[in-house]
Amino acid sequence: SQQGEEDPQALSIQEGENATMNCSYKTSINNLQWYRQNSGRGLVHLILIRSNEREKHSGRLRVTLDTSKKSSSLLITASRAADTASYFCATLGAGNMLTFGGGTRLMVKP
Amino acid sequence: GAVVSQHPSWVICKSGTSVKIECRSLDFQATTMFWYRQFPKQSLMLMATSNEGSKATYEQGVEKDKFLINHASLTLSTLTVTSAHPEDSSFYICSARYRPGARYEQYFGPGTRLTVT
Repeated sequence: SQQGEEDPQALSIQEGENATMNCSYKTSINNLQWYRQNSGRGLVHLILIRSNEREKHSGRLRVTLDTSKKSSSLLITASRAADTASYFCATLGAGNMLTFGGGTRLMVKP
Repeated sequence: GAVVSQHPSWVICKSGTSVKIECRSLDFQATTMFWYRQFPKQSLMLMATSNEGSKATYEQGVEKDKFLINHASLTLSTLTVTSAHPEDSSFYICSARYRPGARYEQYFGPGTRLTVT
C-alpha cells in the first residue's frame, strides 16, 4: 500500500538543469529511501536517509528529510539525459515494511 | 550489493493458464521475501510478504488463491498466477530481505513482465 505522495508526478527539464522531487508520508519512519527505475526495469537503490538525519549527499544527489513535516526531497544537480527515469521514495516504518510513494517521472531533454 | 534474480524476465501466456515466477537471492539467505505488482506508470504495490517455511501474508485486495506464494527455502520464493486473465498483465517485482547485523537490508529483483493474451 502506498503511504506517501510524490510531486510532481512528472517533470521535464533541459540537460544541465537541476531536478527536485518531493515526497510526503503519513506515519513515523525509521528511514526513507530513494530509488530509480528505468522504463520496464527493476529498481536501483540511490540513497537512504535515516530519521535522525536531515540531509545527505551522494555524488549529484542531495536528499533532505524533515520529519516534522513528514516530507523529503531529492535534488539531482546538473542533470543528464541518462537521468531520465522514474524516481520513487520509500519509507521504512513499523514492522520494517517498505512502502513506496507514487513516483515522479523525470525526463531530461538533451 | 546483494543480488536478487527473477525468472523469467518476461512471459506471455494465454488467458486461463497459470504462470510461475521465481525469485532467488543469490548470495545471501533471505528471511523474508516480498512480492510487488506495478502497473504502467504507477508505483509498486505490495502484494504479499512471505517468511521461509510459513504461509504468506497477503495485502488487502490480493486474492491468495489466485496468487500462490511458496517460500520453500531461504533463497527461493515463487509466485504462481493461477488462471491468469488479461487484467493480471503487469510487472511483478520481488524483493528479498535479510539481517546481517542490527539492521535489515532489502534488495529488489529486476522484475518479470507478464502479458496475458
